[in-house]
Amino acid sequence: AQRVTQPEKLLSVFKGAPVELKCNYSYSGSPELFWYVQYSRQRLQLLLRHISRESIKGFTADLNKGETSFHLKKPFAQEEDSAMYYCALKNFNKFYFGSGTKLNVKP
Amino acid sequence: GAVVSQHPSRVICKSGTSVKIECRSLDFQATTMFWYRQFPKQSLMLMATSNEGSKATYEQGVEKDKFLINHASLTLSTLTVTSAHPEDSSFYICSATAPVGSYEQYFGPGTRLTVT
Repeated sequence: AQRVTQPEKLLSVFKGAPVELKCNYSYSGSPELFWYVQYSRQRLQLLLRHISRESIKGFTADLNKGETSFHLKKPFAQEEDSAMYYCALKNFNKFYFGSGTKLNVKP
Repeated sequence: GAVVSQHPSRVICKSGTSVKIECRSLDFQATTMFWYRQFPKQSLMLMATSNEGSKATYEQGVEKDKFLINHASLTLSTLTVTSAHPEDSSFYICSATAPVGSYEQYFGPGTRLTVT
């Protein structure tokens, strides 16, 4: 069975500091992984997916199959990055989410 | 971008009654819709996958007779919580994907259900 783990419930950093939100997964097949973001009072929206290997809003995430991780990184956090971040794994047509990490970027 | 709406945004009902939540894709045809449940400060838990014109597929541990899902058209799926109990109080979120094989999910704003 698939499982997505986000070990940190809350991550606080100062503006301009690097940030890494951790995500580990367990899945027997070839995973398709995503990061979703939920800003205050807004709905969930896609941030990035590992297949596209793109950088969105300065965030990147690399799939590490050896460590079964898909950590989200940004070199210089901004206050507007404060939000809930969810790592998700797609299994066939279904999405399974981690418990989320709240990122708080302090001025 | 694609928009998914939910109605109502919040509902309070009495224990033992049933409540229906609608999920609509406003500007695209959704071949598949998903229903999630989210407890406070916790993750989204997938409840069921709803395909237009066919029976919903429920995740393990989700009672299909309690959470009735209907996907009668390509733009509408409904979740009916039958004989609601206080423990059914939660935040219910739907999402939709468009073409088969599409990777992106578009989320609704969620419905806050409170059962008294």
